[in-house]
Amino acid sequence: DARVTQTPRHKVTEMGQEVTMRCQPILGHNTVFWYRQTMMQGLELLAYFRNRAPLDDSGMPKDRFSAEMPDATLATLKIQPSEPRDSAVYFCATSGELNTGELFFGEGSRLTVL
Amino acid sequence: AQSVTQPDIHITVSEGASLELRCNYSYGATPYLFWYVQSPGQGLQLLLKYFSGDTLVQGIKGFEAEFKRSQSSFNLRKPSVHWSDAAEYFCAVFLYNQGGKLIFGQGTELSVKP
Repeated sequence: DARVTQTPRHKVTEMGQEVTMRCQPILGHNTVFWYRQTMMQGLELLAYFRNRAPLDDSGMPKDRFSAEMPDATLATLKIQPSEPRDSAVYFCATSGELNTGELFFGEGSRLTVL
Repeated sequence: AQSVTQPDIHITVSEGASLELRCNYSYGATPYLFWYVQSPGQGLQLLLKYFSGDTLVQGIKGFEAEFKRSQSSFNLRKPSVHWSDAAEYFCAVFLYNQGGKLIFGQGTELSVKP
């Protein structure tokens, strides 16, 4: 069945380490969003892509975060170096050709930075 | 600025009772509005959406929502709550004239007591 796949589901790392989260969009979905969820800030949009091109990454701390889509089947979100304040659940969501706001979410990657 | 407000952080209802979750939005154009639901440890799932037309929209799991332009509201309702409805509910507005991104309210956590 069609679903968005995220890896890893859980990651515990130490401050200063590099973290890479991966997302496999639903086949044929050409718009990919990265959200971060925390208790304090709720769901924040970090960045999104259409047809692999970045459209908006204004929600992302530029000095340590980067997002890419090396190909249509893989999106990555990288944090280098990681900090304890990056601890959160990171969601990938994808949308089809029309991108009307109907998003399909992955199950998230829970990141803990010690 | 565009925003979504969910005034209630946490609501508790008895099983079988009716439910209404509030949502107010701020958007300069005619909005595309959504309700999503998140079960613990899961990603978000679309409950229902409003684009245009009939202001009362039906969704999955017996939920409905009513768009009221005069009140800038899109409240979610269910006539009889089931224990399995316990989850977090998010209202969202799609910014179709700003590159096509979805912004969320802070969420309302629903608890159901027997």
